[in-house]
Amino acid sequence: AQSVTQLDSHVSVSEGTPVLLRCNYSSSYSPSLFWYVQHPNKGLQLLLKYTSAATLVKGINGFEAEFKKSETSFHLTKPSAHMSDAAEYFCVVIRGPGGYQKVTFGTGTKLQVIP
Amino acid sequence: DGGITQSPKYLFRKEGQNVTLSCEQNLNHDAMYWYRQDPGQGLRLIYYSQIVNDFQKGDIAEGYSVSREKKESFPLTVTSAQKNPTAFYLCASSFGERTGELFFGEGSRLTVL
Repeated sequence: AQSVTQLDSHVSVSEGTPVLLRCNYSSSYSPSLFWYVQHPNKGLQLLLKYTSAATLVKGINGFEAEFKKSETSFHLTKPSAHMSDAAEYFCVVIRGPGGYQKVTFGTGTKLQVIP
Repeated sequence: DGGITQSPKYLFRKEGQNVTLSCEQNLNHDAMYWYRQDPGQGLRLIYYSQIVNDFQKGDIAEGYSVSREKKESFPLTVTSAQKNPTAFYLCASSFGERTGELFFGEGSRLTVL
């Protein structure tokens, strides 16, 4: 079985301050991990992905995430928040190769950026 | 440009009516998926298809039906049997089990009046 827990449903930061969105996962297989971003009434856009290469993954728009197997975490960070970062963010776990890939979404974290 | 196109973006229907949401992709992906999104619940899988003429139920298939007659197309019908159909519906596709990454359409918002 696998699961994804996004530890905060809402996060509020001031513009120019760091962003931390937390994600913990559980998987019986070596997982692939993703972060997606969704702006209101839009589809999901891939921010970054971890697929067993480097543990520190850099994505678009200055975001990065670090895979920590010992902590079963994949937290998303950004050094300095911008107003355009206000959106909902989803952590996603996908089971290892072979057969239909089991995709599990977290429940999302809404990021508010205060001017 | 390659991508996934969902239509309509907004749809209103009366109770008891069936409605079909369109999803077309030109990415040459084998796998296609339908998700339902409700506030605070993340995305839940309705149906998925790995190849043409084959599809499987996801976690919340009751009240929905799909077809996959062409690789590019994966329409979703929300039937009158779906008790609470008002939601945001997202279609996605992927190459299959190897790469993992999902590509999403812009979504269709269905409101039942």
